[in-house]
Amino acid sequence: DTEVTQTPKHLVMGMTNKKSLKCEQHMGHRAMYWYKQKAKKPPELMFVYSYEKLSINESVPSRFSPECPNSSLLNLHLHALQPEDSALYLCASRLNFMNTEAFFGQGTRLTVV
Amino acid sequence: SQQGEEDPQALSIQEGENATMNCSYKTSINNLQWYRQNSGRGLVHLILIRSNEREKHSGRLRVTLDTSKKSSSLLITASRAADTASYFCATGGSNYKLTFGKGTLLTVNP
Repeated sequence: DTEVTQTPKHLVMGMTNKKSLKCEQHMGHRAMYWYKQKAKKPPELMFVYSYEKLSINESVPSRFSPECPNSSLLNLHLHALQPEDSALYLCASRLNFMNTEAFFGQGTRLTVV
Repeated sequence: SQQGEEDPQALSIQEGENATMNCSYKTSINNLQWYRQNSGRGLVHLILIRSNEREKHSGRLRVTLDTSKKSSSLLITASRAADTASYFCATGGSNYKLTFGKGTLLTVNP
């Protein structure tokens, strides 16, 4: 199984809502990533978990809260988002950081209204 | 912050022609990777080249890496309409960061 599964595929939320994005992989990968991608732009790194610990936070606003409950799951909790947070949110996983490829999910298309 | 700068930003060619995309980066790397993204979907890994390698091939893909110039190129030979996509280089360093360049939008016309 070489899949990274993200749910939901689409999400519309109001600025006062709380929602969560989910990501799952069963490849035994120990590094998991959240990226944000705006239209016609490259993916922008948000968070990296390695061995279930947060190892990189790219100065992301606190309205985005990551969580890694176990080695297969990665969540991104959303609260009080702004319309400019509307984007494609991509999850990825890697075996480790040493010369390994990343496997990406299909993303969650988030619209904040 | 973005590590890589691809050029051209957009490339339009006819089926059967070769497509070359370039990537430049700024800091030291362990590896450089190329990914493809079809419109609005997830990224698919194409090829990884390590910092001690100069050239790598995979099917119709050829990647070169020049660490002295901090640059890489991706060549797609005998392009097909199905190759139409955005192509990104990504640099991997000594930590878990994987940082993407700005990308090249390739259009292959039938």
